[in-house]
Amino acid sequence: SQKIEQNSEALNIQEGKTATLTCNYTNYSPAYLQWYRQDPGRGPVFLLLIRENEKEKRKERLKVTFDTTLKQSLFHITASQPADSATYLCALDLDSNYQLIWGAGTKLIIKP
Amino acid sequence: SAVISQKPSRDICQRGTSLTIQCQVDSQVTMMFWYRQQPGQSLTLIATANQGSEATYESGFVIDKFPISRPNLTFSTLTVSNMSPEDSSIYLCSVEGTGGSRETQYFGPGTRLLVL
Repeated sequence: SQKIEQNSEALNIQEGKTATLTCNYTNYSPAYLQWYRQDPGRGPVFLLLIRENEKEKRKERLKVTFDTTLKQSLFHITASQPADSATYLCALDLDSNYQLIWGAGTKLIIKP
Repeated sequence: SAVISQKPSRDICQRGTSLTIQCQVDSQVTMMFWYRQQPGQSLTLIATANQGSEATYESGFVIDKFPISRPNLTFSTLTVSNMSPEDSSIYLCSVEGTGGSRETQYFGPGTRLLVL
C-alpha cells in the first residue's frame, strides 16, 4: 500500500542548532514533494516545494533535499529558534489533479 | 497566496444532528479541497470540489454523509450529516495556489467539531 512516514516522536532541539526532519515514502513516484508547518489550532502553512528533478531547495534558514532513489526527503532548519516550534508535515502529489497525500507530521520543539 | 476563512471555528453537536461548515476565499479559485484531521493524525482528503461540477469523493467518504456545495469560485460548504462521536475531528478546507503555484495549497484555520 502507499505510505508516507514521518517520525511520530517529537524532536527536541537546542536553540541555535540545526533541526533535521525526515519524510520517507513507499510505492510512490511523486513529481514533487512539499513541506508545511502547522501550529496548534491552525491550518497547515506552505513552506517549500521540491520537484523530482531537484536535489535541494533553500529558503532563508530552510533547506529541503529530495532523494527519489532512497524515496526520502530531509527538511533542515538551521540556527533554530523557539519560534520554529511546530508540527511539520510533508505531502506528496498523488496524481496530476493537484491532490496531495500527507504524512502525519513531526512535532519539533526548540528549547531556549 | 489566498486568505481563507471558515465558519464556525468550533462547535459541539449532538449525535444525529448535522453541521454545515462554510469556507470563504478572498480570490477566485478553481479547486477547493475538504480534509479531516484527527489529533496526531495526517490530513485525510474527503473530497475535491470544483465549481460547476459535482464534488469528487475519496474512498471511504460518501455524498450522503458529507454533502458539499460549490456555488461559485470563492465559496464552498461541507455538511457533516447524521453525526456520531466518530465524526469528532478538525475539518479543514484548502484551495490550490494561483498562478504558477497550483501545486501548493492554502488552508483555512479549520473547524473543530466535537460530537457528543
